[in-house]
Amino acid sequence: SSELTQDPAISVALGQTVRITCQGDSLRTYYASWYQQKPGQAPVLVIFGKNNRPSGIPDRFSGSTSGNTTSLTITGAQAEDEGDYYCNSRHSSGDHWVFGGGTKLTVL
Amino acid sequence: QVQLVESGGGLVNPGGSLRLSCAASGFTFSDSYINWIRQAPGKGLEWISYISSTGSTIYYADSVKGRFTVSRDNAKKSLYLQMNSLRAEDTAVYYCARFRDYYVLGSYSDAFDIWGQGTMVTVSS
Repeated sequence: SSELTQDPAISVALGQTVRITCQGDSLRTYYASWYQQKPGQAPVLVIFGKNNRPSGIPDRFSGSTSGNTTSLTITGAQAEDEGDYYCNSRHSSGDHWVFGGGTKLTVL
Repeated sequence: QVQLVESGGGLVNPGGSLRLSCAASGFTFSDSYINWIRQAPGKGLEWISYISSTGSTIYYADSVKGRFTVSRDNAKKSLYLQMNSLRAEDTAVYYCARFRDYYVLGSYSDAFDIWGQGTMVTVSS
């Protein structure tokens, strides 16, 4: 079982805002990173740290953290945002990393 | 072009061995920390190994410790994963991913910023 907990699935209407959450004790110590994965493709980093986007990631993606919960927010979801989203952080022990179980996002 | 390319996957019998490779290009491999991450069919991502830029620091997930060995050859810009005593539950797509740490406004964070396309390993008789 994952030490980071995510909702298995979420849906959002086109153009609306959706928040994907991730909970875990390690998040009290380490910032999470978020990855988007589309079918048959490798994951892509979309958010890291407090709220940082790699080059090329649209600004509708943002991140936040409070206590043991981190969130990925998509403001104005687009059809191309459909996919699986995984949170990740270093484990509290510092010597390994953990992923959440993933959230399947459907854009209606 | 910044990229990682995995190879070496295939079908192997339970108890068998396989060696995966990950070739880097477009960035300074010798300064980079690299990880192996896998994904079983229809399942989520699982981190399995980390190796520092010089190879002096290595970490493994408990699920592979004692069976898998990670190594690197900076001259060849390549990373390797030697997998022994393979089990059915090792069946997965194996990705190599570059690890970066960041200091932004005094805050530390890290992430896997470059991923390969993955190589499939199937353990079955």
